[in-house]
Amino acid sequence: QSVLTQPPSVSAAPGQKVTISCSGSSSNIGNNYVSWYQQLPGTAPKLLIYDNNKRPSGIADRFSGSKSGTSATLGITGLQTGDEADYYCGTWDSSLSAGVFGGGTKLTVL
Amino acid sequence: QLQLQESGPGLVKPSETLSLTCTVSGGSISTTSYYWDWIRQPPGKGLEWIGSFYYSGSTYYNPSLKSRVTISVDTSKNQFSLKLSSVTAADTAVYYCARRGVVTTSHDYWGQGILVTVSS
Repeated sequence: QSVLTQPPSVSAAPGQKVTISCSGSSSNIGNNYVSWYQQLPGTAPKLLIYDNNKRPSGIADRFSGSKSGTSATLGITGLQTGDEADYYCGTWDSSLSAGVFGGGTKLTVL
Repeated sequence: QLQLQESGPGLVKPSETLSLTCTVSGGSISTTSYYWDWIRQPPGKGLEWIGSFYYSGSTYYNPSLKSRVTISVDTSKNQFSLKLSSVTAADTAVYYCARRGVVTTSHDYWGQGILVTVSS
C-alpha cells in the first residue's frame, strides 16, 4: 500500500487531455514539493514535473502540474501515442523522514 | 552531463546480502545541493524509496527496510553503495540509484537500473 494514492489507470483518445491525481496528507504533499515521473516500458523513470508545477528543460509544455492542499494533479494535453507510460508522483514525508511515491498510473492513449 | 550507473550481482541467494554500487560521472557526489538515493521497483509494481546518503555523512532509510539497509559512500571513486541483508524473494526488483535535490526533493537524474533476482 503506497503512502500516496493514484488511480491505477486512465485513458483518453489522441489529441485529448487527461489528468492524473495524487492524494496524500499534511506530512507529505501538504508540506513538501511534489514531483511527477514518466516511466516508459523497460526504462528508468524520467522527471516530468518538479516543485509542484515546474518543467525541467526539454519537457514539453503539454505536461503541467498543480497542487492544492494535500493533493496534486498531473495534466497532459494533446495526447500522443508516445505518452503511453506509467506515471508516478513522489515527494518527501516529514513524519516518516522518508521518500514516498504513489502506486503509479498507467496511461492508455486509445 | 551527469550519469549514474548501477553495478553488482544480478543474482543473490536467499538470506544473503545484496550489494550494489552506483558510479557517478560528470559531477561530484561531494555536494551540499543533493542527496544520493537508492530506489527499487519489483517486477510489475511501483517505485519504493530505499534510502539516501548526504555528503555530510548523514543517511536516511525507509522505516520498513531500516534494519537491513546500509548506504555508504566512497568519495575517492565518486561512488555510493547499497547493502541489503537477509534478502528474500520479496527483494527481487530493479534497483535504481538517483540524485535528489535538497530543496526540490525531486529525482532529476537516474541510473538505468539493475535487475537483482533473489533465488537459490
